[in-house]
Amino acid sequence: EDKVVQSPLSLVVHEGDTVTLNCSYEVTNFRSLLWYKQEKKAPTFLFMLTSSGIEKKSGRLSSILDKKELFSILNITATQTGDSAVYLCAVRLPMNYGGATNKLIFGTGTLLAVQP
Amino acid sequence: NAGVMQNPRHLVRRRGQEARLRCSPMKGHSHVYWYRQLPEEGLKFMVYLQKENIIDESGMPKERFSAEFPKEGPSILRIQQVVRGDSAAYFCASSPVERGRSEAFFGQGTRLTVV
Repeated sequence: EDKVVQSPLSLVVHEGDTVTLNCSYEVTNFRSLLWYKQEKKAPTFLFMLTSSGIEKKSGRLSSILDKKELFSILNITATQTGDSAVYLCAVRLPMNYGGATNKLIFGTGTLLAVQP
Repeated sequence: NAGVMQNPRHLVRRRGQEARLRCSPMKGHSHVYWYRQLPEEGLKFMVYLQKENIIDESGMPKERFSAEFPKEGPSILRIQQVVRGDSAAYFCASSPVERGRSEAFFGQGTRLTVV
């Protein structure tokens, strides 16, 4: 059965700390891995990773994928209270004909709380 | 360009009633996905639709649940004879094309409470 596992389940840090969130997966026909940030509303897209070893960066956030070891990490440096959210990792699954879709398997998320 | 619009944001239904959840995709998007998020669980795929077609409904419960995306108007997720276990947040996502490079944009969800 395809699955995505995130760790830790929750994390409390202070402003300015650096955090690393983990995502491991077991899926057949892997296409790509996505990270979302979910506050009390819609999950918002952060990164999509398809190739191993290529770091994606956006401001203080960065992410990398290891397709050999089947995991990804999301790093947040110099955390701020606005980073407090649930961070979701998802793996994209292919359609029967082989094309990629947005049919995603999500992990249960990591709840990050950044204290002032 | 408005984002993915879902309504209502909150819906309360008594056991046995019907729930209708609406999703208007982003302008120019013709692919819609519905996901359900149960308490303490991750988002779970339910159904993938294109205009007037159901492409993949492998995540839909076999009974009481149906979805449509008509040529005109929003996508509708319909739950008949709701039970307490249907209480969850239902998210809709849309994307423009399926070429493997377009991420899905999510709506703010409809929180269904069955009493």
